[in-house]
Amino acid sequence: GIQVEQSPPDLILQEGANSTLRCNFSDSVNNLQWFHQNPWGQLINLFYIPSGTKQNGRLSATTVATERYSLLYISSSQTTDSGVYFCAVPVGSGNTPLVFGKGTRLSVIA
Amino acid sequence: DVKVTQSSRYLVKRTGEKVFLECVQDMDHENMFWYRQDPGLGLRLIYFSYDVKMKEKGDIPEGYSVSREKKERFSLILESASTNQTSMYLCASRSIEGGASRTQYFGPGTRLTVL
Repeated sequence: GIQVEQSPPDLILQEGANSTLRCNFSDSVNNLQWFHQNPWGQLINLFYIPSGTKQNGRLSATTVATERYSLLYISSSQTTDSGVYFCAVPVGSGNTPLVFGKGTRLSVIA
Repeated sequence: DVKVTQSSRYLVKRTGEKVFLECVQDMDHENMFWYRQDPGLGLRLIYFSYDVKMKEKGDIPEGYSVSREKKERFSLILESASTNQTSMYLCASRSIEGGASRTQYFGPGTRLTVL
């Protein structure tokens, strides 16, 4: 099945710094989503981004579908950005479940 | 706003008990999912449902069953709880419409401890 790899596994940032998280996937996809899991365990969807670039405030994401990777950019990081960031893609074509990467654990320190 | 709710945030049960975890969504989504999350193992799919009365096994269905009698509700059942089922359980839902409507929404999670 499709493989999803995220890097780095852990990241520690000073407040105000920028960061780039990467998601590689092993097959072509028509759906890619980024999620943030806060310290209380809630998973919040950040972006639905099968291709192209989207921005939402200090966060932006770019997916290059032909090269099978997606990047999540966090600018001017804040302590509230801490948590785990996951990317997920469908297991197969059509209406299939998502498979998740192992995540990047981000810690932003004041 | 899409809302996915789960019946409990924290639950403590004893080995051998039958455990019901309930999930309700308010967006008329066709698809619903149950995952468990364990340190180092990420999110793993237990069961999913494409629509009412439908269910499909995920990657780790052993020891679990599910029920979907109404579109908005998807229940996960641990027939005889065991200590290795201590975990965080996450429910999710999404539409079958194409494009961004396929965005998946998660409930707040249930931290289950089996003693």
